[in-house]
Amino acid sequence: EAQVTQNPRYLITVTGKKLTVTCSQNMNHEYMSWYRQDPGLGLRQIYYSMNVEVTDKGDVPEGYKVSRKEKRNFPLILESPSPNQTSLYFCASTSSDAFDTQYFGPGTRLTVL
Amino acid sequence: SQQGEEDPQALSIQEGENATMNCSYKTSINNLQWYRQNSGRGLVHLILIRSNEREKHSGRLRVTLDTSKKSSSLLITASRAADTASYFCATDAGPNNNDMRFGAGTRLTVKP
Repeated sequence: EAQVTQNPRYLITVTGKKLTVTCSQNMNHEYMSWYRQDPGLGLRQIYYSMNVEVTDKGDVPEGYKVSRKEKRNFPLILESPSPNQTSLYFCASTSSDAFDTQYFGPGTRLTVL
Repeated sequence: SQQGEEDPQALSIQEGENATMNCSYKTSINNLQWYRQNSGRGLVHLILIRSNEREKHSGRLRVTLDTSKKSSSLLITASRAADTASYFCATDAGPNNNDMRFGAGTRLTVKP
């Protein structure tokens, strides 16, 4: 089954404690991205990656890091989380060949105290 | 009010040809993004170009940005029938990156 998985689904942490949200897709997609969704603001793109070792900043990259060492994985790293990073995070992937459909993960609800 | 305006509104080409779509906007921007939408489906993000960048490539896609003319172009090379879709530009001018304005889109048809 084609899917995008994220872990963890829910996370409560404290300010400054480094965390990683994993994202994995099994569709051999080149393009992957991370979004955050906040009330009244819709989806905002954090980072995206067009292929392995190719990443680029989206709309709101500050406070986040990503890496793309393998095609299937695109982890989102918060080196020193702050309360303003409390949000709902979505990972997504798309085939760069077709750009036909963007597949989203189930979301990760992050709370930073 | 609408910020990005795509040109042309509709474009029909043969498979293998290049497709160029243009976007003009009115105010200063932080970045400009291109999206694709198939009929009845959601938007798919293609590429983001920042105000201090002039050109970006990704596979068969090439995007340019001319801030002096307040315009951007999306070029799809060696088009395929599967490229048939609507293409939108979206500009982000807000101080908090939450003020995105979409244009009406260019409907691209690629004939096999």
